[in-house]
Amino acid sequence: DTGVSQDPRHKITKRGQNVTFRCDPISEHNRLYWYRQTLGQGPEFLTYFQNEAQLEKSRLLSDRFSAERPKGSFSTLEIQRTEQGDSAMYLCASRGSSGNTIYFGEGSWLTVV
Amino acid sequence: AQKVTQAQTEISVVEKEDVTLDCVYETRDTTYYLFWYKQPPSGELVFLIRRNSFDEQNEISGRYSWNFQKSTSSFNFTITASQVVDSAVYFCALKMEGGKLIFGQGTELSVKP
Repeated sequence: DTGVSQDPRHKITKRGQNVTFRCDPISEHNRLYWYRQTLGQGPEFLTYFQNEAQLEKSRLLSDRFSAERPKGSFSTLEIQRTEQGDSAMYLCASRGSSGNTIYFGEGSWLTVV
Repeated sequence: AQKVTQAQTEISVVEKEDVTLDCVYETRDTTYYLFWYKQPPSGELVFLIRRNSFDEQNEISGRYSWNFQKSTSSFNFTITASQVVDSAVYFCALKMEGGKLIFGQGTELSVKP
């Protein structure tokens, strides 16, 4: 039983560049969540999917952020025209339809220089 | 408003001491779930426990125990006979509609040998 996996684990990019993170949820988990965590803070909700449908987006998700889950399995989170304030860890999590526990991946660290 | 407060930012103990991490929550919902997660330096959020609002029984799992009190809106976490491997940041979280979690600020626990 594999857990939630995220790729890449670390990304350093120059300001203004685009970056994309991928998340593979636990198999057969139909709900997938993205969170952002900055240093010294708890994770903050960004968006979530039920199957391929994006059901909720936080106001934290500016126009430069877009998330997709095209086939209801893996998901991508793209940040366009990165800014230094985007530096954070981006966490993905998943949950099954009948479960109430949300399982997290190891996160993708983004540093914008 | 839905909110989770972890008033203790950092706690330092010596190995074998008992330590309690506090969590206070606010919610208007009558049915809700509370969680504790552990975040070691690697970054992954490790699920520790889920408690629903209908079950006020305290729970013990090895050296870990949880005290849920609806009357004071608290869900405290105690580690008995702490070990160096318990050093991590611990997060308390409240599950909202759709499954997204609201996290507290986290408590950084340092267990010294």
